Amino acid sequence: DTGVSQDPRHKITKRGQNVTFRCDPISEHNRLYWYRQTLGQGPEFLTYFQNEAQLEKSRLLSDRFSAERPKGSFSTLEIQRTEQGDSAMYLCASSTGQGGWHEQYFGPGTRLTVT
Amino acid sequence: AQKITQTQPGMFVQEKEAVTLDCTYDTSDPSYGLFWYKQPSSGEMIFLIYQGSYDQQNATEGRYSLNFQKARKSANLVISASQLGDSAMYFCAMRPNTNAGKSTFGDGTTLTVKP
Repeated sequence: DTGVSQDPRHKITKRGQNVTFRCDPISEHNRLYWYRQTLGQGPEFLTYFQNEAQLEKSRLLSDRFSAERPKGSFSTLEIQRTEQGDSAMYLCASSTGQGGWHEQYFGPGTRLTVT
Repeated sequence: AQKITQTQPGMFVQEKEAVTLDCTYDTSDPSYGLFWYKQPSSGEMIFLIYQGSYDQQNATEGRYSLNFQKARKSANLVISASQLGDSAMYFCAMRPNTNAGKSTFGDGTTLTVKP
């Protein structure tokens, strides 16, 4: 299966620690997106890349958050000095093109628990 | 800014019956795409159906159809012949064609199919 993959699937960390998540998109997809989903809510947009360029960042993405896609393939999302409010599911998605009609394919998500 | 409203936190339907999940949206973009996703308890977002804002006909995909009423800014999902496996969370989302990186999601509707 060559769908979107994310690693790890679950992460438990103590407050104040740094965490890094990885997303591998579908190989021919040039667009990659990160979303955050808290319990009982829909996903909220965090940021997206076209190839290696980060084109937009949400105001939700505080200075403790950073995302990279260094070679235009996989992406990492790092959270520094984690807080309990960072506990959520972090979803990655990818798509082929620019138009709003291009379907975004989602990965299984990384569930973060900050204790 | 875009906004998606799903007013039904939970819905019940008898197996083999049809059900309509409501979605209204607000946007100032003239051109946009509307999407429905299914999220089972496993967490993965599964694309169901897409409707473009300029599409004249309502979209259909198997048992799924989208009742698109542009003047009312509504994009309701109709599931025909419900199956037990349809029990899941359903999200309505939109993405403008002018800035196709960012999808805006509603807070979802939990559908339970009764045997």
